[in-house]
Amino acid sequence: DIVMTQTPVSSSVTVGQPASISCRSSQSLVHSDGHTYLSWLQQRPGQPPRLLIYKVSNRFSGVPDRFSGSGAGTDFTLKISRVEAEDVGVYYCMQATHFPVYTFGQGTKLEIK
Amino acid sequence: QVQLQQSGPGLVRPSQTLSLTCAISGDTVSSNTVAWNWIRQSPSRGLEWLGRTYYRSKWYNDYAVSVKSRITINPDTSKNQFSLQLSSVTPEDTAVYYCAREGAYGDYPNWGQGTLVIVSS
Repeated sequence: DIVMTQTPVSSSVTVGQPASISCRSSQSLVHSDGHTYLSWLQQRPGQPPRLLIYKVSNRFSGVPDRFSGSGAGTDFTLKISRVEAEDVGVYYCMQATHFPVYTFGQGTKLEIK
Repeated sequence: QVQLQQSGPGLVRPSQTLSLTCAISGDTVSSNTVAWNWIRQSPSRGLEWLGRTYYRSKWYNDYAVSVKSRITINPDTSKNQFSLQLSSVTPEDTAVYYCAREGAYGDYPNWGQGTLVIVSS
């Protein structure tokens, strides 16, 4: 199975400051069709995950533009340009390139300082 | 707007079968552009993809190797829902179970509310 490794495990950020989360895969996530199926999800306490970014850098409908995704191959990054209090939660990367098993990162907990 | 509503028991005895249902509104289970997934989450295993069902002129299923011998995911077109059955459960199957709609890019734009299932005698 593809292993997705996120860093840091947790991050404490002041409101208004930027935040960055890294995700590294054990194999390239470029599919044979040329696309890279890497998503980012946010999970607030007590809620199901919520889709933020798909295909590396595409923001899902309704997601604030302070969230952005980038990367290629095996290295990917989620950035929050200016953290707000509502951004508290756990963030996961997920790959859907290497089927038949979709795999998730272990999560990065974002807290407000 | 697509909504997924989960139902099923929160307590299952060891060696019994876990059964959950996910009712769909705003889409159809027999859509030929999406897939219907089950994912679980536990402190020890994190988020774990279990399997999916989808329709592309006929029905298909894919299952995670870790549960392949014990899992069944079935669509129910008459009720526009899909179900999860996981047999021979052990305490290690204790988790929050989610149903999720998979979009065209292996993404999950819609999730059920989650069901905490505890396996205990």
